[in-house]
Amino acid sequence: QKEVEQNSGPLSVPEGAIASLNCTYSDRVSQSFFWYRQYSGKSPELIMSIYSNGDKEDGRFTAQLNKASQYVSLLIRDSQPSDSATYLCAVNGNAGNMLTFGGGTRLMVKP
Amino acid sequence: KAGVTQTPRYLIKTRGQQVTLSCSPISGHRSVSWYQQTPGQGLQFLFEYFSETQRNKGNFPGRFSGRQFSNSRSEMNVSTLELGDSALYLCASSREGNIQYFGAGTRLSVL
Repeated sequence: QKEVEQNSGPLSVPEGAIASLNCTYSDRVSQSFFWYRQYSGKSPELIMSIYSNGDKEDGRFTAQLNKASQYVSLLIRDSQPSDSATYLCAVNGNAGNMLTFGGGTRLMVKP
Repeated sequence: KAGVTQTPRYLIKTRGQQVTLSCSPISGHRSVSWYQQTPGQGLQFLFEYFSETQRNKGNFPGRFSGRQFSNSRSEMNVSTLELGDSALYLCASSREGNIQYFGAGTRLSVL
């Protein structure tokens, strides 16, 4: 059974701080890793994708991947109240498109 | 460019009925995946269609089925509805390269 694990939170950070979200996965053959943001009552929205070990930065977001430790993280710098949402880690190891999602981490950014 | 379109947005059915949900992918996307999201189980993969063929299948009973048409539009059918089928059903489309973009979802309530 392929698993993706996330701390459900809530993770509470003050406005302007760095939010750090973590995810571990069990399937060593996983190739593609994604972070989605989901606001309450809305559908998931892609934030970042990462495929190789190391860091990938896009604006205020940095994704980090360590395949040896089977670990993916997302850093959000200068957190804003509008970043308050559930962040979903997703992993794809198959041919085709079959994402396995973690349970999500609820982030709360307090003004 | 239009996003992924799902219809209808909301559905109310009673136990034992069947339901058909529709998904129109982003233009040029040939892969369509379906997911079920519930508070208890989170986001779970149902199946993926590519070029009118089911390419991947999740761990759901045979009451859940789907198909894809030559224009890449996809439908998902659930027969003999159960209370536990109440969920947000999400469709995602992708080119090869497996970044999936989600539609707004169809919220199904089974009474």
